[in-house]
Amino acid sequence: QKEVEQNSGPLSVPEGAIASLNCTYSDRGSQSFFWYRQYSGKSPELIMSIYSNGDKEDGRFTAQLNKASQYVSLLIRDSQPSDSATYLCAVSGSARQLTFGSGTQLTVLP
Amino acid sequence: GAGVSQTPSNKVTEKGKYVELRCDPISGHTALYWYRQSLGQGPEFLIYFQGTGAADDSGLPNDRFFAVRPEGSVSTLKIQRTERGDSAVYLCASSLTAGTDTGELFFGEGSRLTVL
Repeated sequence: QKEVEQNSGPLSVPEGAIASLNCTYSDRGSQSFFWYRQYSGKSPELIMSIYSNGDKEDGRFTAQLNKASQYVSLLIRDSQPSDSATYLCAVSGSARQLTFGSGTQLTVLP
Repeated sequence: GAGVSQTPSNKVTEKGKYVELRCDPISGHTALYWYRQSLGQGPEFLIYFQGTGAADDSGLPNDRFFAVRPEGSVSTLKIQRTERGDSAVYLCASSLTAGTDTGELFFGEGSRLTVL
């Protein structure tokens, strides 16, 4: 079982819709959770971090964490074509390094 | 510099050759990470430095891979006797501190290694 699992997609949504990206993790000791965005041919960039159960909102982005279910999600409201990218879920646990999922490719259709 | 700088951006080599990949982190960042990313996959952890020492090298796949950071700034990833399976983008990242309470890694643009 992979430590961090994501649906690889591709996920397509129309412009203006809500995109929902999901991630599960296996290490119950995980403390910190992150979403990175990676445009094609570019390096990952951090867009959201979440550390406690519940929701965290930042502009059009909302991260949701449920530690009991070992589940973290990212919602993108009012999706724009510029949101088209691969979204990487990353988890930090007892080891001082991030473990990444394989990413979900999102396409926002104009 | 303003961001994490990696050189070379592209490296093509022949099977069995030795390669070095360089990373210059953001000034003042004490933690430095190397990741490897294959097509369609997320970054895979290789090694992390806190200062000059390798704090965790558990991700290095075998003894052909080695990394150094002698002065606590620039790091070099060294790969001996390259194999075709080593072909990937090698990403370097730095952060202000290292710990489980922060994941804001700043990534360089990567070094794309192709082993023929």
